[in-house]
Amino acid sequence: AQSVTQLDSHVSVSEGTPVLLRCNYSSSYSPSLFWYVQHPNKGLQLLLKYTSAATLVKGINGFEAEFKKSETSFHLTKPSAHMSDAAEYFCVVIGSGGSYIPTFGRGTSLIVHP
Amino acid sequence: SAVISQKPSRDICQRGTSLTIQCQVDSQVTMMFWYRQQPGQSLTLIATANQGSEATYESGFVIDKFPISRPNLTFSTLTVSNMSPEDSSIYLCSGIGAVNTEAFFGQGTRLTVV
Repeated sequence: AQSVTQLDSHVSVSEGTPVLLRCNYSSSYSPSLFWYVQHPNKGLQLLLKYTSAATLVKGINGFEAEFKKSETSFHLTKPSAHMSDAAEYFCVVIGSGGSYIPTFGRGTSLIVHP
Repeated sequence: SAVISQKPSRDICQRGTSLTIQCQVDSQVTMMFWYRQQPGQSLTLIATANQGSEATYESGFVIDKFPISRPNLTFSTLTVSNMSPEDSSIYLCSGIGAVNTEAFFGQGTRLTVV
């Protein structure tokens, strides 16, 4: 079985400071992992993905994530937050060799203060 | 990457009526799914749409309420039947590509039942 846990329901940062959104996964197989962003009243947009290549993955808008198998983590980071980063972020796992159903974390709401 | 066109993008419906949501993918996908996103919550899987056969429903979702069709590899529909205000949600379709299991999403259908 696969599952994904987003450890924080809300993260609040000031503009210009670093962002860390945490995600831990559980999968019986080597997973594919994704981060999606959803702005208010908008659809899901892919930020980045890990599919068994480089463990440090760079995405759009300055975001990156590191796959750490030993910690079963895939945390999302950004060096400097921008007001436009305020949105809901979802960590998603898709297991290989097992379930191909995308499983979503509960979401983390990123709040950026001026 | 695949592009999924989902329509309608939004609708306001009377209780007791039904709404059919369509998803068209611009390339073949191996699997298609339907999700519901209730206000302020994450995405919950409704069912896996199987080509040419009955969909596989998750616990809490039944075919009589959410009939799904998938006549070919690139098209699927979800019907929300006998709607009540509790069905007011965003409904999204998703497809898994054949190559690297990346998930693609439609833009969602924002349904309001009055």
